[in-house]
Amino acid sequence: GQNIDQPTEMTATEGAIVQINCTYQTSGFNGLFWYQQHAGEAPTFLSYNVLDGLEEKGRFSSFLSRSKGYSYLLLKELQMKDSASYLCAAPNSGNTPLVFGKGTRLSVIA
Amino acid sequence: KAGVTQTPRYLIKTRGQQVTLSCSPISGHRSVSWYQQTPGQGLQFLFEYFSETQRNKGNFPGRFSGRQFSNSRSEMNVSTLELGDSALYLCASSLDPGGDSRNEKLFFGSGTQLSVL
Repeated sequence: GQNIDQPTEMTATEGAIVQINCTYQTSGFNGLFWYQQHAGEAPTFLSYNVLDGLEEKGRFSSFLSRSKGYSYLLLKELQMKDSASYLCAAPNSGNTPLVFGKGTRLSVIA
Repeated sequence: KAGVTQTPRYLIKTRGQQVTLSCSPISGHRSVSWYQQTPGQGLQFLFEYFSETQRNKGNFPGRFSGRQFSNSRSEMNVSTLELGDSALYLCASSLDPGGDSRNEKLFFGSGTQLSVL
């Protein structure tokens, strides 16, 4: 089945740029999702990549390389409110819902 | 449009008891998935329902069960609770017009925080 790997924790400074990496198994790949989850809240959708390359959405961008089984989420001009867990997710093989990584907890410090 | 609603928000039970959690999806969404979230394991898939049928099931024991009603509302039940069942249980719905959930964006509820003492 799908196995997703991402760093457990990261710390970055307000105003800086941070890159959160994610690796996944490429067999039967059908798109990769990023979700944001603030403590005590529901995960919310950030991005979906199905083709190679970078997709930019305001301060957040997501990159995908299907051949390498690799994605990253890029957060620019970090704000304190960006402190949250960032979850990478991809479908398992076949017609199955998303498999999530354990999440990367990002702390933004002044 | 109202989001995904889960009730109750918090629940405290003791070992051996059973519990039922409820989820109302976004209006028009036909697929409902359940996930268990713990600090050590992250989000683990429990099961998915579509048109009142269980379409997929994760790797959890038979103590975990669920169902979906004709209005797409869903419930999950955990019997003979164990301490390790303490977790945040998240429900997510998706539109899923084609019956293929692989690339469907999930909309999550705020979850039910279950504590087993």
